[in-house]
Amino acid sequence: AQSVSQHNHHVILSEAASLELGCNYSYGGTVNLFWYVQYPGQHLQLLLKYFSGDPLVKGIKGFEAEFIKSKFSFNLRKPSVQWSDTAEYFCAVRTDRGSTLGRLYFGRGTQLTVWP
Amino acid sequence: GAVVSQHPSRVICKSGTSVKIECRSLDFQATTMFWYRQFPKKSLMLMATSNEGSKATYEQGVEKDKFLINHASLTLSTLTVTSAHPEDSSFYICSALSRRGTDTQYFGPGTRLTVL
Repeated sequence: AQSVSQHNHHVILSEAASLELGCNYSYGGTVNLFWYVQYPGQHLQLLLKYFSGDPLVKGIKGFEAEFIKSKFSFNLRKPSVQWSDTAEYFCAVRTDRGSTLGRLYFGRGTQLTVWP
Repeated sequence: GAVVSQHPSRVICKSGTSVKIECRSLDFQATTMFWYRQFPKKSLMLMATSNEGSKATYEQGVEKDKFLINHASLTLSTLTVTSAHPEDSSFYICSALSRRGTDTQYFGPGTRLTVL
């Protein structure tokens, strides 16, 4: 079965520090990759997504992610975090297999805490 | 655009009663909606896929007679938790796929269910 791993469960940074959150998946076929963010008390919002083309994708709020097919990875990065980036971040993968069109497989999430 | 609402946002009920949660796509039509359950410190667990005009597809281990799903229109799916027990207390989240494509899921704000 497809699985998505997020290695960091809780990351604590100071403002202006650089961020990289890891995401690996286990599926050898075609994938669509997503990062979602959940701010405290709010619903999941799409940060960015990769379908094809340039493996370096840019999302909202200064986030970017790089798809490295050989490593089955889609790590999320931000050069300089802000206090307002404090949230839970979820990596998700959609594959071209399975009977459920559009189904996403989620990682367990990474809680990012940014200290001012 | 692409707003998904859920109602209610919070509900408290007694054991043995049934609770209905609504998921609406406000500005687009959704042929497919998904229902997730989110546990504290854990990822989103897909419960079922709701397809407009047909029976829902349940994930392994999810009791279809307990979690009734109805997708009566292109903008509304409902999840009914029947004969609720305290262990059903959780955060339930729905998402919707636009009818135009299957590229992105849009998430609702979630419903916090507490069963006493």
